[in-house]
Order: sequence, then structure tokens, then C-alpha cells
Amino acid sequence: EPEVTQTPSHQVTQMGQEVILRCVPISNHLYFYWYRQILGQKVEFLVSFYNNEISEKSEIFDDQFSVERPDGSNFTLKIRSTKLEDSAMYFCASSPLGTRNTEAFFGQGTRLTVV
Amino acid sequence: RKEVEQDPGPFNVPEGATVAFNCTYSNSASQSFFWYRQDCRKEPKLLMSVYSSGNEDGRFTAQLNRASQYISLLIRDSKLSDSATYLCVVNIHNNDMRFGAGTRLTVKP
Repeated sequence: EPEVTQTPSHQVTQMGQEVILRCVPISNHLYFYWYRQILGQKVEFLVSFYNNEISEKSEIFDDQFSVERPDGSNFTLKIRSTKLEDSAMYFCASSPLGTRNTEAFFGQGTRLTVV
Repeated sequence: RKEVEQDPGPFNVPEGATVAFNCTYSNSASQSFFWYRQDCRKEPKLLMSVYSSGNEDGRFTAQLNRASQYISLLIRDSKLSDSATYLCVVNIHNNDMRFGAGTRLTVKP
């Protein structure tokens, strides 16, 4: 069964460093997403991406965040200068159509720890 | 009012029980609705989409009331394996899905 894969599964970084979280969406999907979940809290929408551009973004997705689809398979989330409060599980997701019409499929997540 | 609001629980029920979860949402323009399930420290996984006419999948029944901006999930004949957190998810516009905080269910033998 096709799945969304994320690497690494766990990343530890020092405050102020840049991190790149990587995702390989399901191959025939057209819409890609990043969500985050701070430990013990709800899943929060960050950004959706379609046709090589951001479709929507939340109030959390500020200038320190960026997304990119550098090639035909990867989808990345970059955090430019990490803060302690960026520590969370980051989930990548993809869907064949937008979530207006269909569900999203989630990867297993990258646990980011900022120290 | 929160975008998506759920009773956090926990719900502790015996095997075989019927349990119902409720969810309300604030954006009346929301167009698609889902129940996801999340096991501890795992990714959310789709349980079922929620359709306007209501829909059933085995032991699970979902209902949508657009007028009241209310979604429900009914689980019949609970199994131990149903223990998880159930997430109400609402697509508020185009490709922006918002999650409730989740309702935690524990099914006990």
C-alpha cells in the first residue's frame, strides 16, 4: 500500500539552527501538507501546497517557515532559525485532490526537539 | 468559539459498549468533514469521511448536522482495539483542514 514517508524520524537541533524536514508524498498525489503537533496538544495545520505553490497557510506559518518541492518526489519544510517552541511532531500529508473533496494521508512524522 | 471543538474525555467503556462522540465547528462555510483516529505517538489515520446524509461503516456511524454545525461519531460493540484518540476534522476552505483536540477513548475488558 502506498504511503507517505518522512525522514528523519527524530531530529535534535540547537536553538537558532536551520532544519529541513523531508517528505516523500504518495506518488500520484497532487496536494501536499505540513501539520505539527506539540506534545499533548492538537494537530495544527501549517501549510498546503499545490502546483508548486502554497495554496493556504495558517497563522503559525510565519517567515521562519518555508516549503519546497525541489524535485518530482520530495516535499520539504524548512525552519530557518529554530526556537524552543518549535519542538513538536511534524506530519507531512498528501492527497490526490484537495481536502475539500478527499481525505489526506499522513506520514509517520518527524519528532523535532530544539535544545 | 473554537474552530473545531470536542469533548476531550476520557471515555472509559467496557467491551461491547456503545459510545458516542460529538464535535462542533464554527465556520459555517466548511465543506468537508472527517473522523480520524490517532494512536499514542502515531500519525492520524482516516476513520471515515462524514457525508451530509450520514454514513455507516461497520460498527461506526457518522452524522452531520449543518444547521447546528455539529458532527457525531457512534461506535457500537466497542473492541479493545478501538482504544485511541478520535479526531474531528473540518476542512474550513479549499485545502485547510482543522483538527479538534481529540476525544480519548479507552475500552476495557
